[in-house]
Amino acid sequence: SAVISQKPSRDICQRGTSLTIQCQVDSQVTMMFWYRQQPGQSLTLIATANQGSEATYESGFVIDKFPISRPNLTFSTLTVSNMSPEDSSIYLCSVVQGRTEAFFGQGTRLTVV
Amino acid sequence: AQSVTQLDSQVPVFEEAPVELRCNYSSSVSVYLFWYVQYPNQGLQLLLKYLSGSTLVKSINGFEAEFNKSQTSFHLRKPSVHISDTAEYFCAVSEPGSARQLTFGSGTQLTVLP
Repeated sequence: SAVISQKPSRDICQRGTSLTIQCQVDSQVTMMFWYRQQPGQSLTLIATANQGSEATYESGFVIDKFPISRPNLTFSTLTVSNMSPEDSSIYLCSVVQGRTEAFFGQGTRLTVV
Repeated sequence: AQSVTQLDSQVPVFEEAPVELRCNYSSSVSVYLFWYVQYPNQGLQLLLKYLSGSTLVKSINGFEAEFNKSQTSFHLRKPSVHISDTAEYFCAVSEPGSARQLTFGSGTQLTVLP
């Protein structure tokens, strides 16, 4: 199984600022994903982070708001830009090993004030 | 498109009592089914999964879930819960061979009371 480390685990940020979340995996993986878990709601896929190419975004999410980097097969970052209180959520990094099992980081709990 | 419904947002039970967390899904194709658990301040962990074969799947810590195709359900059960089972439980579905396409339910907070 993959071990995923996310940083920071939580943060409180001022509106209008940006936060970059880091995701480090202990093995090389092809597919890395970023999810958002809004308070009291389900997990929603933001984007797939592709190594060597631009991220693939899901409907309702755009690169200007959530830029993603994937410099190698073990690391990715998600930036939440120009934050507003509506961005307060838990952001989770996920990787897939094999074809059926997804592993998740412990999440980054973001509060925007 | 797939969707997952977890009918109960919160389930309080007393220690050593049985529990059932309900999950229903809708999909126009066959699916893989998963239960994930999220302990406080931790990431999601896979609890159990149904891919094919026997419709009853079990985890190492006493949970089990049964895939019911006719009722499109994948309810999670445990005959006797412990305080340590207190967590949020998420049901999820994906298309076969595509863990990327995970669609999650809204989650059920299980609270085990002493």
